[in-house]
Amino acid sequence: GENVEQHPSTLSVQEGDSAVIKCTYSDSASNYFPWYKQELGKRPQLIIDIRSNVGEKKDQRIAVTLNKTAKHFSLHITETQPEDSAVYFCAATLRGGRRALTFGSGTRLQVQP
Amino acid sequence: NAGVMQNPRHLVRRRGQEARLRCSPMKGHSHVYWYRQLPEEGLKFMVYLQKENIIDESGMPKERFSAEFPKEGPSILRIQQVVRGDSAAYFCASSQEIGDTGELFFGEGSRLTVL
Repeated sequence: GENVEQHPSTLSVQEGDSAVIKCTYSDSASNYFPWYKQELGKRPQLIIDIRSNVGEKKDQRIAVTLNKTAKHFSLHITETQPEDSAVYFCAATLRGGRRALTFGSGTRLQVQP
Repeated sequence: NAGVMQNPRHLVRRRGQEARLRCSPMKGHSHVYWYRQLPEEGLKFMVYLQKENIIDESGMPKERFSAEFPKEGPSILRIQQVVRGDSAAYFCASSQEIGDTGELFFGEGSRLTVL
């Protein structure tokens, strides 16, 4: 079925190191790939997104790369800080682009001070 | 802009009772989505609605669950005869109709506990 796979499920890094989270999707028609950050007990919030007409997008310490041929996209966080600790979700528009985002299962990132 | 408003934030029900969760989208947004999040799990799509129309309900359980987004008033997710497995956080999100970027704006969620 149509889905979004996300790895790893947990990630622990030292402060200042980089973190990479990877996702794959099944629907080749997908055209929008956002990443959301969810802190404990809070709502998911968009941190960066990418559309299928670009391969990479960067915003300060975070970047997203997209490989449409391989149907995977990745989140890169550089110079991690303790406040980056949260659960990160990738998502993609599946179901023929009916705009109901399908989310990955999440990655719990822990940045050790 | 007040953002997506959900209420109640916390709801406790006994097995067999009904739960009603309400969501008011951001101003200017006419697309509403409901997601369920079980503890320590991801966001599972339930239903996508526009005013007076259900666009996609492929994620809704076939029984006991229903959703509406009337012409006036908030969107409502209704769970009849709740069971313990319904305990979860239910998030509503909205998106813009015109010039839509695809971004979903989430509410703070309604946390349902079934005793």
